[in-house]
Amino acid sequence: SQTIHQWPATLVQPVGSPLSLECTVEGTSNPNLYWYRQAAGRGLQLLFYSVGIGQISSEVPQNLSASRPQDRQFILSSKKLLLSDSGFYLCAWSTNGPFYGYTFGSGTRLTVV
Amino acid sequence: AQSVSQHNHHVILSEAASLELGCNYSYGGTVNLFWYVQYPGQHLQLLLKYFSGDPLVKGIKGFEAEFIKSKFSFNLRKPSVQWSDTAEYFCAVNPNNQGGKLIFGQGTELSVKP
Repeated sequence: SQTIHQWPATLVQPVGSPLSLECTVEGTSNPNLYWYRQAAGRGLQLLFYSVGIGQISSEVPQNLSASRPQDRQFILSSKKLLLSDSGFYLCAWSTNGPFYGYTFGSGTRLTVV
Repeated sequence: AQSVSQHNHHVILSEAASLELGCNYSYGGTVNLFWYVQYPGQHLQLLLKYFSGDPLVKGIKGFEAEFIKSKFSFNLRKPSVQWSDTAEYFCAVNPNNQGGKLIFGQGTELSVKP
């Protein structure tokens, strides 16, 4: 069966420090991968999505970037964190082909101090 | 701008009360529609989805939703809520011309009093 792993679960980082959040999927190949940020009262905002290795689409301009170095690995990064980067980050995957919805990871709570 | 709107940010009900959470979207053309639920401390789970066919879809735990194309709506309903339904509920739309992208509403927090 397919599973999605996301780590770390929580992270506290100082302003100006770098960030790397990792997401991996098991049990499927060539998935579509997504990074969302969830903010209280603002729902889920799509940040990046990828339909294949090295293919990244950005939805909103921001201080973050994403990379997909392997088929089932999706990384969210920042060179210098801002206070406004605090939030709950969710990784998700969907099949590449007919769309049936997402499976979400358990999320990372990022606090920038 | 194209968007998904959930009208209620926080709903408080007593057990056995009926529930209806509103969801409207502004995308034209064909869409796929979803409701996700996030129980306290847990990750997002699919509650139900609509792709085509009968506009009244039934999901898990007694939830249902009705797609009304003319109103661009996909409201979530449950005849009698339980304390265990306390959670945050998200409506999401997949516009068919945008691949696998899901656009989410702001979420509705449901609190059910025992």
